[in-house]
Amino acid sequence: GQNIDQPTEMTATEGAIVQINCTYQTSGFNGLFWYQQHAGEAPTFLSYNVLDGLEEKGRFSSFLSRSKGYSYLLLKELQMKDSASYLCALNRDDKIIFGKGTRLHILP
Amino acid sequence: DSGVTQTPKHLITATGQRVTLRCSPRSGDLSVYWYQQSLDQGLQFLIQYYNGEERAKGNILERFSAQQFPDLHSELNLSSLELGDSALYFCASTTGGQVGYGYTFGSGTRLTVV
Repeated sequence: GQNIDQPTEMTATEGAIVQINCTYQTSGFNGLFWYQQHAGEAPTFLSYNVLDGLEEKGRFSSFLSRSKGYSYLLLKELQMKDSASYLCALNRDDKIIFGKGTRLHILP
Repeated sequence: DSGVTQTPKHLITATGQRVTLRCSPRSGDLSVYWYQQSLDQGLQFLIQYYNGEERAKGNILERFSAQQFPDLHSELNLSSLELGDSALYFCASTTGGQVGYGYTFGSGTRLTVV
């Protein structure tokens, strides 16, 4: 939604690393979120980038480049429980606008 | 338990009917947001209330309306239901009117229109 683009689906192997990219076409936003959502469940917060650069939190890292209109979520040491959708979202006008999400499949 | 309570969890109803979805925000949160998630559209922002007042409106149909009551719980009313209204409806809450470090989401109401 609202000019936020992510791949629809990705597949990776347990124990590997995967990078999920997000591009957007707006300059007016306060920060960029990544959420994880398991099928049929509520989204849960993963990360929030306000400034350019890399934010690391355990196995997950998120990167933002405002000049390039680009973000990525990096997941390391993949586990089967990481099979979920990952939603890129923008904080705009005090509400969160979500992309359609990337469905990540983890193979054993 | 996130602290945001949505009822009912599941709802099955016929086309043309009207339903009410309820959301109780986390204790202390003044702001409530409603989202619709259908299979092909992702999470779509519908409407936001802050301390009883409507704050922002998204792509909410005229058949849909919402309100926030003095005790801060919110209701989303969907009328003249169509098959395409089948979706997951989430509410989320924050302390103030700004999203800051994100929302706390409820577990959602799955609406099926038959």
